[in-house]
Amino acid sequence: QLQMQESGPGLLKPSETLSLTCTVSGDSISDSSYYWGWIRQPPGKGLESLGEISSSGKTFYKPSLKSRVIISLDTSRNQFSLKVTSVTAADTAVYYCARKRPPDAFDVWGPGTRVTVSS
Amino acid sequence: QSVLTQPPSVSAAPGQEVTISCSGSSSNIGNNYASWYQQVPGTAPKLLIYDNYKRPSGIPDRFSGSKSGTSATLGITGLQTGDEADYYCGTWDTSLGAVIFGGGTRLTVL
Repeated sequence: QLQMQESGPGLLKPSETLSLTCTVSGDSISDSSYYWGWIRQPPGKGLESLGEISSSGKTFYKPSLKSRVIISLDTSRNQFSLKVTSVTAADTAVYYCARKRPPDAFDVWGPGTRVTVSS
Repeated sequence: QSVLTQPPSVSAAPGQEVTISCSGSSSNIGNNYASWYQQVPGTAPKLLIYDNYKRPSGIPDRFSGSKSGTSATLGITGLQTGDEADYYCGTWDTSLGAVIFGGGTRLTVL
């Protein structure tokens, strides 16, 4: 059974770079059937998709965040990662990694990891 | 403000049925598939409906989905107290080139 787990620092200062990793078990991220994505949820607010990456490395990013977000794959470790540069308090959120089945549904989610940006 | 519009809240009594709407445009729901997610506060979202009306394995048939034009609808019958959660619609937006979500609907089972 597929499982996903986010990991990374929970507290950052403004202007730092947020780096999170999603470890996938029970399936290979090299499987070309799926995309692998990051979604976040600010406290008390709704879901926001940040972007996704295919098994071949093709990426899609939310346009308003494209200049600050990078998603990458590490197939040797069966992981994919998220980087968000120049964070501000507005980046405070629970960050989820998820598998996207074609065409556009996230069918497996990690439990989420809380990231706080504060000076 | 979300590109997909959902009512902030709906409520109904146990055993009753409820529908939740998701209104979009031709660049998203109108020409792409809708999905629905259930999120119990403090937990990760769970996929309920994909490809407008299909249910993943393990999702009871009390949950149903439909799409008409630029709107999608989630239906829940035989409401249970365990159905109290936030519900989100989602789809691809062709203009944005990204997945988008509605603002979410809080379901209260009275």
